[in-house]
Amino acid sequence: EAGVVQSPRYKIIEKKQPVAFWCNPISGHNTLYWYLQNLGQGPELLIRYENEEAVDDSQLPKDRFSAERLKGVDSTLKIQPAELGDSAVYLCASSTWDWPGEQFFGPGTRLTVL
Amino acid sequence: SQQGEEDPQALSIQEGENATMNCSYKTSINNLQWYRQNSGRGLVHLILIRSNEREKHSGRLRVTLDTSKKSSSLLITASRAADTASYFCATGVGNQFYFGTGTSLTVIP
Repeated sequence: EAGVVQSPRYKIIEKKQPVAFWCNPISGHNTLYWYLQNLGQGPELLIRYENEEAVDDSQLPKDRFSAERLKGVDSTLKIQPAELGDSAVYLCASSTWDWPGEQFFGPGTRLTVL
Repeated sequence: SQQGEEDPQALSIQEGENATMNCSYKTSINNLQWYRQNSGRGLVHLILIRSNEREKHSGRLRVTLDTSKKSSSLLITASRAADTASYFCATGVGNQFYFGTGTSLTVIP
C-alpha cells in the first residue's frame, strides 16, 4: 500500500512569490491534515479536512494561506505571497474515521523563502 | 498552550542501554500518542494510550500515563542505532491533537 505522497519535496522561492504544495493521502482515508513544522519544533496543525470539508482551519493564516481538497481526495496548500517566515517543512497526514486515530504522515515539503 | 513538552530536549546513549523520555502537558486529555521522526522524514506512529490507561507495551516500547501529574513517559529498552530519531508526544484533546517539541535521541553504536 502506498503511503502519503507529497510533492515537491523541496522548494526554494523568492519572497512575495506564490507557492503550492500537493498531497495525495492513503486510499480510503477520509481525514487529511496539513501541518507546519519549524526546525527543532513539533508539527503545528494548519487545517484538517473530513472528506472535502475543512472542519478545523483556525490556525491557518487566511490572509496568505489557502487550501482545498477537491472530491475529498487530493489536497493543495497554497501560500500567496510567501514571506521569509514561511520557511519550514509542510507536512501532510491522513487517517481513517476511527477516533482517536493513527495519523500517517508524508515526507513533507521543505520550503525555503529567500 | 496545550502543546506538550518533552524532556530532555536531547539524549545520547550507548547502544543496548535504555532510553527514557518524558512528556508533560497542561490540560485534561482524551489520549496521548507517541511518534518518531527520522531526519528529513515524516512522522511515524509508535503507540497510543488512552486517558483511562496507565501503561502500554509494544515490542521494546513501554509507555506510561499519569493523568494526575499530566505526564507520560516513553521507555525504549535495549536501544539500537536505528532508534536514533526525534520523538514527539501528541496530546489528544477533543478531536484535536497537539504535538510537543520533541526529544532528539542519539544511540551510539
